[in-house]
Formats: sequence, C-alpha cells, structure tokens
Amino acid sequence: AQSVTQLGSHVSVSEGALVLLRCNYSSSVPPYLFWYVQYPNQGLQLLLKYTTGATLVKGINGFEAEFKKSETSFHLTKPSAHMSDAAEYFCAVSGSNTGNQFYFGTGTSLTVIP
Amino acid sequence: DTGVSQNPRHKITKRGQNVTFRCDPISEHNRLYWYRQTLGQGPEFLTYFQNEAQLEKSRLLSDRFSAERPKGSFSTLEIQRTEQGDSAMYLCASSLGAGKYNEQFFGPGTRLTVL
Repeated sequence: AQSVTQLGSHVSVSEGALVLLRCNYSSSVPPYLFWYVQYPNQGLQLLLKYTTGATLVKGINGFEAEFKKSETSFHLTKPSAHMSDAAEYFCAVSGSNTGNQFYFGTGTSLTVIP
Repeated sequence: DTGVSQNPRHKITKRGQNVTFRCDPISEHNRLYWYRQTLGQGPEFLTYFQNEAQLEKSRLLSDRFSAERPKGSFSTLEIQRTEQGDSAMYLCASSLGAGKYNEQFFGPGTRLTVL
C-alpha cells in the first residue's frame, strides 16, 4: 500500500526566499513520486516526477526535488520564491508494480509575502 | 488544445437529482482516471479505465456512482440521487500507460454543488 504525508498544510515565505515543501511517503514497492501544483479553480499541473535514475529531479518553474530512499522523502524546493508560486502543492505516489492510481497528500498551501 | 477537457465546469443541482459529467482525455492516452477532491484535501481516487475496460474502483464509489468509457475515448461519470456530501470537485486525468509511463495529466475539473 502507498500513502503520502505532507507536513505543513500552510507555508509562508518571503519573495526571494527559499521554498521548502515536505513530503514523506510510504510504499511497499519502489515508488514513483510526483509533485503537482494547483491554482485556484484549476486542475493539477505536473511540476516534476521521479521514476528511476537520478534522485535529484528538476521540474518546471525552477522547482526541484530529491528522492531520499533512506528517509522515505521527496521534498520540493525552489531557491527563490516568486509571487506567482503562490498555489496549492500536492505530492503523490504510485507503485512501480501496478502504476495505477495515485495516492495524494492533503496538500500544502504556499503563500508568498511581498 | 490537446489537454484533458471536462464538461461542465460547474454544476449546481438539488439533492436527489441525477448529474452526469464528461471527460475527454488526451487522444493517444489509453488510461483514464476519475478523482474526487473536497475542500482542503488532495484528490481521492474513484476509478480508472484502460481503454473501455473499468479495471479498478474505489470503495468511495458507492452504487449511486457509475462511470463508463464506451468506446475507449471519452468517459462519463454519473451520480444518481445526489446527496449534499457529493459536493466536491471531480477531476479527470489520463495517462499513456502504467508504471513510469503513468504520468497523469489532469483536466480542469467539474465543481459539483448539491443544494
């Protein structure tokens, strides 16, 4: 079984500051991990994904995440926050054996303070 | 636009009425998923199709819910005898395949309000 925990339902950062959104997963098989962003009244947009290979993955809009198997984590970071980064962020896991449904975390709402 | 589309975007209905939503996936994607998202929560899996076959259903999908994908292209999700607890955003996603190819592309969702 797979599950995701996102620590911190709300995160506030100043514009230009480091963004760190935490995601820990539980999976009985090697996981595939994803970060999605959701703007108000819109669907989810993929930021980045980890399937196999390099554990540091880079995504769109300057975001990146590192898969740490020993810590069962997949935290999302961005060196310098922009106002346009304000949104809801969801971490998701799926299993490499079936790769069917995604299990999503409860989300982290990011506020960027000017 | 070659993304996932959903119609309608918003639906307001009275309790007890039936509603139907439509999802058009990315054309070459053979997998289609339905999720439900309530306020302050992440999307929760409802069901998925591979081509026209419905292969998995969540226990969230009560017998009032039915989904179809008759020709392996678009899909419909019907809710019969709606209840206020059905109020949520219903999201559709599609993907090319399984495993590492299971990058799911989401539509904008249908927001259902049951009065």
